[in-house]
Amino acid sequence: GQNIDQPTEMTATEGAIVQINCTYQTSGFNGLFWYQQHAGEAPTFLSYNVLDGLEEKGRFSSFLSRSKGYSYLLLKELQMKDSASYLCAVSFTGGGNKLTFGTGTQLKVEL
Amino acid sequence: GAVVSQHPSWVICKSGTSVKIECRSLDFQATTMFWYRQFPKQSLMLMATSNEGSKATYEQGVEKDKFLINHASLTLSTLTVTSAHPEDSSFYICSARDPGDGVEKLFFGSGTQLSVL
Repeated sequence: GQNIDQPTEMTATEGAIVQINCTYQTSGFNGLFWYQQHAGEAPTFLSYNVLDGLEEKGRFSSFLSRSKGYSYLLLKELQMKDSASYLCAVSFTGGGNKLTFGTGTQLKVEL
Repeated sequence: GAVVSQHPSWVICKSGTSVKIECRSLDFQATTMFWYRQFPKQSLMLMATSNEGSKATYEQGVEKDKFLINHASLTLSTLTVTSAHPEDSSFYICSARDPGDGVEKLFFGSGTQLSVL
């Protein structure tokens, strides 16, 4: 199977910036997604990267380096409501348009 | 964005009974839907790909006779957990892509928390 790695947990302070990293196997890469999931709820879409570089969307930005098999999600001006699990997901060619999810990073925002 | 409706949100059942979960695409047609399972504090694990008008494609290790999938129309897929046991207790989530969205992202249903006693 395809391995997608993320840190299990992170803690940050309200108002600060946090970067959540994701690494994946580069073979057959087709696109990378970030989702936010609050406990007991369905994931919601945050961002999509298919080309190298930074995609900015409000307080959230996502970066991709295809050659390195690396992405990060950057959250600025953290708010308490940002406490959630952040899932990195990759689409691989030949996978029938399936998304393979990483283990998820549980982010805790503190005062 | 596109809306995927999943029902029920939670269900408690006795061991040995069967439970059906419905997933509907409300404002788009989905020839393919995906069923995921999530255990507490773990990520989403793909169980199967539901294909409209044909058999579902199951991931390795998922028992197709236990997790019956039916995709009879372009807006409805159902997952039936047959002869449920306590180890089947989990959060089940369906998802689909909107062909008109332009980005290959998945829209998720609200999930079903299954508890088998």
